[in-house]
Amino acid sequence: NAGVTQTPKFRILKIGQSMTLQCTQDMNHNYMYWYRQDPGMGLKLIYYSVGAGITDKGEVPNGYNVSRSTTEDFPLRLELAAPSQTSVYFCASSLPGNRKNTEAFFGQGTRLTVV
Amino acid sequence: AQTVTQSQPEMSVQEAETVTLSCTYDTSESDYYLFWYKQPPSRQMILVIRQEAYKQQNATENRFSVNFQKAAKSFSLKISDSQLGDAAMYFCAYRSAFQRAQKLVFGQGTRLTINP
Repeated sequence: NAGVTQTPKFRILKIGQSMTLQCTQDMNHNYMYWYRQDPGMGLKLIYYSVGAGITDKGEVPNGYNVSRSTTEDFPLRLELAAPSQTSVYFCASSLPGNRKNTEAFFGQGTRLTVV
Repeated sequence: AQTVTQSQPEMSVQEAETVTLSCTYDTSESDYYLFWYKQPPSRQMILVIRQEAYKQQNATENRFSVNFQKAAKSFSLKISDSQLGDAAMYFCAYRSAFQRAQKLVFGQGTRLTINP
């Protein structure tokens, strides 16, 4: 069982370039999330989705866009890369929160450097 | 908004000894979940232990246990019989029980070093 898969694992972008971070999960989870982790810091929520066609902003959404056309996929788009977006990006998925299903599953992260 | 604070950026412990990592949080909610995640150099986020706020009993998972003090809003992680494989970043995290989306609020992390 693959779980949550992110691609690519590493990427270097030039300022102003755009790219899409891919995320797919095979657990049939309705809920998916994007977090960023800056050096020496904890993860912060960028965007999340409660199902296909529904997305919402998290704590730090500026500079990013998301879409959710299928249950499995939740890509994160950077339109105009800036040095402040240098970070490690994590995708996660989960079932709805209740007392029996209280765990989010994470991908292995994408390390993005903007130069 | 909820906040999570880990006041120990780094900790170290001798192999086979016990270490306690601290976490405090701030919330006005009455029901929530607290978590400790381990992040080894591979970057993978690994759930170590979870605590449900409405349960007074402290959670335990093998060598890992928590001291949950709801009134003090404190949630510390104790690692007994430390092993070299325990070396990692440890994150404390909070999730509201009133939302179906499992949006996590993380602390800044504590880097744990195990000395052989």
